[in-house]
Amino acid sequence: RKEVEQDPGPFNVPEGATVAFNCTYSNSASQSFFWYRQDCRKEPKLLMSVYSSGNEDGRFTAQLNRASQYISLLIRDSKLSDSATYLCVVGRDNFNKFYFGSGTKLNVKP
Amino acid sequence: NAGVTQTPKFRVLKTGQSMTLLCAQDMNHEYMYWYRQDPGMGLRLIHYSVGEGTTAKGEVPDGYNVSRLKKQNFLLGLESAAPSQTSVYFCASHYLGRELETQYFGPGTRLLVL
Repeated sequence: RKEVEQDPGPFNVPEGATVAFNCTYSNSASQSFFWYRQDCRKEPKLLMSVYSSGNEDGRFTAQLNRASQYISLLIRDSKLSDSATYLCVVGRDNFNKFYFGSGTKLNVKP
Repeated sequence: NAGVTQTPKFRVLKTGQSMTLLCAQDMNHEYMYWYRQDPGMGLRLIHYSVGEGTTAKGEVPDGYNVSRLKKQNFLLGLESAAPSQTSVYFCASHYLGRELETQYFGPGTRLLVL
């Protein structure tokens, strides 16, 4: 079983739509949680950390459910520039190691 | 600050050849990592280092060796390249002790093994 699982998509949405991604992780000892964004043929870049109480950054909202071991990302009012692959990442082993999902592709259309 | 840099950006090797990928960071980070990314697989950890002079195996270490002789550099070596090592290789660094701080990635090295 993979450490981190995501729906690969693609999610094709019109501009202005709200879209949600989910991610599940298998190891209950996971300690830290993140969403990264990766543009085509580029390196991953941190979008936001995910805190236990949930957190929001502009149009982006992240939630963590430790009991069910899943993480979500909600994007409101989608922009064309949001088109990318979104990677779910969990960290553990005293933050020595990070485990990446294979990513969910988002296409925002005009 | 340049952040994390990787050399080379692209390389073609023949099966059996050797090469070294260089990762350098100027953020004084303790932790450094080497990942490979293959289609549909996500990033997989090859080796990592928690400080100068230390290295440890990750998820997929076979066929690779690493060295961290200086804090700012993390080298990934392929002694005898195989077509299965065709991939995009990313280096990352991380600051020790800040658990909600995350990794900074280099731009990647695209390796093709024929």
